[in-house]
Amino acid sequence: AQKVTQAQTEISVVEKEDVTLDCVYETRDTTYYLFWYKQPPSGELVFLIRRNSFDEQNEISGRYSWNFQKSTSSFNFTITASQVVDSAVYFCALSIPSQGAQKLVFGQGTRLTINP
Amino acid sequence: DAGVIQSPRHEVTEMGQEVTLRCKPISGHNSLFWYRQTMMRGLELLIYFNNNVPIDDSGMPEDRFSAKMPNASFSTLKIQPSEPRDSAVYFCASRYGTSGDEQYFGPGTRLTVT
Repeated sequence: AQKVTQAQTEISVVEKEDVTLDCVYETRDTTYYLFWYKQPPSGELVFLIRRNSFDEQNEISGRYSWNFQKSTSSFNFTITASQVVDSAVYFCALSIPSQGAQKLVFGQGTRLTINP
Repeated sequence: DAGVIQSPRHEVTEMGQEVTLRCKPISGHNSLFWYRQTMMRGLELLIYFNNNVPIDDSGMPEDRFSAKMPNASFSTLKIQPSEPRDSAVYFCASRYGTSGDEQYFGPGTRLTVT
């Protein structure tokens, strides 16, 4: 069975600090996809990034970066020079094509608070 | 392009009443998903459709829940009769492609059953 664990329930930092959100996944499949979504206080879920299991190249998008390591089954998310607008709940999710449902399995989320 | 549209945004109803949630997916998307979010259980998939056909409804909690997708641009999730434990935020999401592609979520419907 597949599972996503976000061990950090809540993180609080001061603006401009760097912060890393951890995500550990479990699957026996060799083909899978990992995602990060952001849920700001307004409630909607916003897609941030997708990564497939064959692409371990790290990605950077502005202040956001993602570190995918298959050896540790982790897909961590780092925000550099955090801003108050980054305050949100962040979800890591896993999708496995071989599973007929093709559903997203979400972690429990990490609530990130950036204090001014 | 408009995103996924859900209505109503908020619904308050009394136990025993029928509740219908509505969703309009992004035009051209071929898959539609209904999720429920609660503090206790997090985000869980209720049902998903591919090309308007229900593929997996294993997440539907019980027979009180039903979902339909009569055409590519509209889906409903119905709860009859509603119970207080159904109180949650219900999200609709749509996707173009396969499981490797991202899902786009609507703003959600916050349901409160008293």
